[in-house]
Amino acid sequence: NAGVTQTPKFRVLKTGQSMTLLCAQDMNHEYMYWYRQDPGMGLRLIHYSVGEGTTAKGEVPDGYNVSRLKKQNFLLGLESAAPSQTSVYFCASSFKAGRDIQYFGAGTRLSVL
Amino acid sequence: AQSVTQLGSHVSVSEGALVLLRCNYSSSVPPYLFWYVQYPNQGLQLLLKYTTGATLVKGINGFEAEFKKSETSFHLTKPSAHMSDAAEYFCAVSDRFGNEKLTFGTGTRLTIIP
Repeated sequence: NAGVTQTPKFRVLKTGQSMTLLCAQDMNHEYMYWYRQDPGMGLRLIHYSVGEGTTAKGEVPDGYNVSRLKKQNFLLGLESAAPSQTSVYFCASSFKAGRDIQYFGAGTRLSVL
Repeated sequence: AQSVTQLGSHVSVSEGALVLLRCNYSSSVPPYLFWYVQYPNQGLQLLLKYTTGATLVKGINGFEAEFKKSETSFHLTKPSAHMSDAAEYFCAVSDRFGNEKLTFGTGTRLTIIP
């Protein structure tokens, strides 16, 4: 089973460029999440979705947009990348929220120069 | 809002020694509690979780954690450390009532000394 798959695994951008990170899950989960991980700060929630066609802001949404057009996919977009968005990005999914386990992808390492 | 505190960003123990990683939460209503582990260059995976019932929870790879309401704590332990336990460990909490979000601590990097 693939679980949660993130593409790409690595990316280098120049300031002002745009890109989209793709997350795909094959577990028929309702909930999907995008996090960023920075040293000493743990994981911080960027945006999340509670079902197909829905999105909501997390803790650090500025500079990012998301879409959930299909239940299995959750896209994270950067319209105009900034050096402060250099980070490792993780996607996760869960069947429900609260007590349910979140399953994580392997991450995307993004550098913005 | 929920908050989670992990004391010690780096912990080093000798192989075979006790592992103790500390986690405290802030809510007056006990939340759902989780420990996740992240091995180098990988995503996070669940070690164990507490939702209700027995306060001592056993997880994978010999880890366990005890929920103590009076201390608002959920410390992670393992009696005997193994080299393969070297990783970063995250405590996380989720509200019991209506909040979909998981709040993570800042993580503890565990180093095992041969």
